[in-house]
Amino acid sequence: AQTVTQSQPEMSVQEAETVTLSCTYDTSESDYYLFWYKQPPSRQMILVIRQEAYKQQNATENRFSVNFQKAAKSFSLKISDSQLGDAAMYFCAYRSAEYGNKLVFGAGTILRVKS
Amino acid sequence: KAGVTQTPRYLIKTRGQQVTLSCSPISGHRSVSWYQQTPGQGLQFLFEYFSETQRNKGNFPGRFSGRQFSNSRSEMNVSTLELGDSALYLCASSLGGASRHTEAFFGQGTRLTVV
Repeated sequence: AQTVTQSQPEMSVQEAETVTLSCTYDTSESDYYLFWYKQPPSRQMILVIRQEAYKQQNATENRFSVNFQKAAKSFSLKISDSQLGDAAMYFCAYRSAEYGNKLVFGAGTILRVKS
Repeated sequence: KAGVTQTPRYLIKTRGQQVTLSCSPISGHRSVSWYQQTPGQGLQFLFEYFSETQRNKGNFPGRFSGRQFSNSRSEMNVSTLELGDSALYLCASSLGGASRHTEAFFGQGTRLTVV
């Protein structure tokens, strides 16, 4: 079974600074997807960024980028130029490419942004 | 384009009762997944329906069941409610099928409180 581990329960960053959230996962599969979701106080889960395992190039979405290390099974999220609206719970998630749309989530990291 | 709609948003039930939650996916999406979110267990996968068939199932007791209708709308039912069933129940909508571009889009959730 796949597992996802987020070792940082909480992180803080100063507005306009850069922060990196860590995620490691365990799987025996070679084809899969990885995601970062953001859950603000409204509780709506919002997709931040996705990475396909067969792509070596790290995904980027505006101020959000990932560092995907397939051999190390590591998938960290970097948020540049942090904004107050980035404050939320961030979840790392894994999805197999073969077995439907089941997502396996990590425990989450609370990100606080200081002004 | 309308997002994922979950109803009701809030629900209070008594132990032993049963409850039905509803999820309307994004138009054109055929896959609906359900997740339970609690402070102690985090986000846990309940089940996934695709084209009216259960495609994946998580490790939950038989009191938790679901179904999907021909218009892709899905319902989740919990019978004989226990205090531990108090949680935020999230529904996720995906295109499904063989497409590799199957991001999950989440509804705002149903907050169930069992008293």
